[in-house]
Amino acid sequence: GAVVSQHPSWVICKSGTSVKIECRSLDFQATTMFWYRQFPKQSLMLMATSNEGSKATYEQGVEKDKFLINHASLTLSTLTVTSAHPEDSSFYICSATIHGTSGNTIYFGEGSWLTVV
Amino acid sequence: AQKITQTQPGMFVQEKEAVTLDCTYDTSDPSYGLFWYKQPSSGEMIFLIYQGSYDQQNATEGRYSLNFQKARKSANLVISASQLGDSAMYFCAMRGINQAGTALIFGKGTTLSVSS
Repeated sequence: GAVVSQHPSWVICKSGTSVKIECRSLDFQATTMFWYRQFPKQSLMLMATSNEGSKATYEQGVEKDKFLINHASLTLSTLTVTSAHPEDSSFYICSATIHGTSGNTIYFGEGSWLTVV
Repeated sequence: AQKITQTQPGMFVQEKEAVTLDCTYDTSDPSYGLFWYKQPSSGEMIFLIYQGSYDQQNATEGRYSLNFQKARKSANLVISASQLGDSAMYFCAMRGINQAGTALIFGKGTTLSVSS
């Protein structure tokens, strides 16, 4: 099946610094990628939808200036947490799909654990 | 708007027994897909089973089957012959089929604990 790779799997950063998480589709062109955030024992909350070559669409309540999403190519989307604070510590996971497809055509990355100290 | 409801925060089952995880949904889309994922403590999302709203038969994948009752808007996951490795969090999710590039919307999840 299709493979989505997410990097890094684990990251620890200091308060005030920025951290970038990459999401790559390895064997298909992902025209649309999604970023989710998950707190322990809770559900996955959609943060934003990004389409290749255009600005991301953020969900209500998600700060677009804090969570910068770039989808510069058909195989790569990045999430940058800017000026990170301890409350940004969370599990971030991406998924990818091929635009125009339906059904079971969503593929997840492995997720990234972010700890801000 | 779409909504997924999972009312069981936790479920406990013994090895080799069957267990049903409940999921109800609400949507105004005439065509939609329903998914179940398993999430172990490592965090990865493991796809288990998919049901399209117009599929005539209930989906099955090995020990997993989906009890799809469209009129009741329910899509319960049945795991037969539970194994210790089935202990994890399970999420029900859906997306509209005719909306290209739409994200999955998830329920709150059910934590399944399998004991020996």
